[in-house]
Amino acid sequence: GAVVSQHPSRVICKSGTSVKIECRSLDFQATTMFWYRQFPKQSLMLMATSNEGSKATYEQGVEKDKFLINHASLTLSTLTVTSAHPEDSSFYICSAQDRDSYEQYFGPGTRLTVT
Amino acid sequence: GQSLEQPSEVTAVEGAIVQINCTYQTSGFYGLSWYQQHDGGAPTFLSYNALDGLEETGRFSSFLSRSDSYGYLLLQELQMKDSASYFCAALKAALIFGKGTTLSVSS
Repeated sequence: GAVVSQHPSRVICKSGTSVKIECRSLDFQATTMFWYRQFPKQSLMLMATSNEGSKATYEQGVEKDKFLINHASLTLSTLTVTSAHPEDSSFYICSAQDRDSYEQYFGPGTRLTVT
Repeated sequence: GQSLEQPSEVTAVEGAIVQINCTYQTSGFYGLSWYQQHDGGAPTFLSYNALDGLEETGRFSSFLSRSDSYGYLLLQELQMKDSASYFCAALKAALIFGKGTTLSVSS
């Protein structure tokens, strides 16, 4: 089956630093990847849609300068949380859309803790 | 706006049948999906309804009625391992998730 990986799975960083999260589709090509954020006991909230070779589309209320998204290839999208603060601590999950079948597959998620 | 409403919590015993409802106020979506999420894990796909009616996948079934803006997930022969959060999600360009239902199964 289709596999999506995320790296790192867990990261702890200090306030003010930046953190990069990678999302890779391992056995299929994804023209579109999606980034979600999930706070404890809450639902997944769509942050942005990442299209290969073009700028990401951000949802209302998501700061594009704080959450930098790059989708440089058909198998890799990255989310960089810049100048992280404790309120950015959350579970970040990506999903990748198979360009042939249009099915979406979720990565295992990255738990970010900002101290 | 768009929203998908679910009950926040449901409890049941092993072997029972549970129905988790999802009512929505969104339009222009391709279909309604259901996902299961255990604590600390990513969502895993359970079922998808593109058309009105019932889809059956083993112990899990899902139903959609676009005219009623309503869907549900039916879980049969409940097992302890079914204790998790369940989300309905409308498939547009991205998946728009409901608020989630925490299912607790006891023996």
